[in-house]
Amino acid sequence: AQSVAQPEDQVNVAEGNPLTVKCTYSVSGNPYLFWYVQYPNRGLQFLLKYITGDNLVKGSYGFEAEFNKSQTSFHLKKPSALVSDSALYFCAVRPPASGTYKYIFGTGTRLKVLA
Amino acid sequence: NAGVTQTPKFQVLKTGQSMTLQCAQDMNHNSMYWYRQDPGMGLRLIYYSASEGTTDKGEVPNGYNVSRLNKREFSLRLESAAPSQTSVYFCASSEAGGSDGYTFGSGTRLTVV
Repeated sequence: AQSVAQPEDQVNVAEGNPLTVKCTYSVSGNPYLFWYVQYPNRGLQFLLKYITGDNLVKGSYGFEAEFNKSQTSFHLKKPSALVSDSALYFCAVRPPASGTYKYIFGTGTRLKVLA
Repeated sequence: NAGVTQTPKFQVLKTGQSMTLQCAQDMNHNSMYWYRQDPGMGLRLIYYSASEGTTDKGEVPNGYNVSRLNKREFSLRLESAAPSQTSVYFCASSEAGGSDGYTFGSGTRLTVV
């Protein structure tokens, strides 16, 4: 079965330190990969995507993500965390074209940046 | 610059009552989706509409029905609400293919007592 795993329910990091939020997937072929962020009482907001090309993609708010095909991972990173980055982060995968456009979402990782 | 608009934002229902959640998008997207979000379970797809005039079941369709009224609007109906349907519901839309990602509404927080 196709799946997306975010192995950490919560990640704590001190402000100014680098952060990583992990995502691995089990999908055959070459999927589209996404990261979304959700602030309290808000909908999900698009951060970045990988479809093809350079394995390091840059997105909104200084975030970037590294695609690793051999490890089927798409980890979210930021060189220097801000308290305002504290939110819930979702990894999502769109399997290769099969006539539908359904994404598979991970269960989410809560990021807490400590001042 | 509305994007995806959901109504209502909050709703409390009694068990057995019915209601319809409304969703409209102004981005001329072909595809629309309904998800529910529950703690520890992430987002689960209820129904989706790949294009106007088509709807299909997602991962958790039981207890729900949908209508793609036109290209802009996609509604979700609970015919007989149950406490297990207490959740936050999100509508989303995307261009055909989904390569640009989804645009989400701000959600409806539904409590069934």
